[in-house]
Amino acid sequence: GAVVSQHPSRVICKSGTSVKIECRSLDFQATTMFWYRQFPKQSLMLMATSNEGSKATYEQGVEKDKFLINHASLTLSTLTVTSAHPEDSSFYICSASEGAGAHSGNTIYFGEGSWLTVV
Amino acid sequence: GENVEQHPSTLSVQEGDSAVIKCTYSDSASNYFPWYKQELGKGPQLIIDIRSNVGEKKDQRIAVTLNKTAKHFSLHITETQPEDSAVYFCAASKGYKLSFGAGTTVTVRA
Repeated sequence: GAVVSQHPSRVICKSGTSVKIECRSLDFQATTMFWYRQFPKQSLMLMATSNEGSKATYEQGVEKDKFLINHASLTLSTLTVTSAHPEDSSFYICSASEGAGAHSGNTIYFGEGSWLTVV
Repeated sequence: GENVEQHPSTLSVQEGDSAVIKCTYSDSASNYFPWYKQELGKGPQLIIDIRSNVGEKKDQRIAVTLNKTAKHFSLHITETQPEDSAVYFCAASKGYKLSFGAGTTVTVRA
């Protein structure tokens, strides 16, 4: 089946630095990718929708200048956490769908997630 | 926006018994309902999904039922095994976004 890969799986960074997380669709082209944040024992919170070739759409309350999203190709989206602080420590997960998304009959697949720890 | 409620929040079953998780959704336009299994420290894994033109779908020990009139859908796991222990999330979508339930922690007792 389709596979979505995230890298790195775990990253530790110093407070004030930036860190980039990559999300790749390995065997299909993903026009749309999604970035989620998940706190321990909680559900997934959608942060933004990443559209290939255009600006990302951010959910209410998500700082677009802090969480930079770039969807440069049909197989790669990146999330950059800028000026990271300890409160940004979390599990970040991406998902991708082939074509126009679930409503057009496509399945949404998730990556393995990336643990970010800001010290 | 879409609101998905999931029950129960925790479920403990004896190995070999069945487990049922129920979800309700608010937006009647939603037409895609996937279920994900998440193990500790990993991303969600799609285990089964159903679309609004289907009432039931089965894949080995896992089945999902959908009642569009009542706006609810359920996950059924039969003959549970210890490896079924995980957090399960239901979701609903009418466009390209998924709205998730709060999750159900399933524990299968050996």
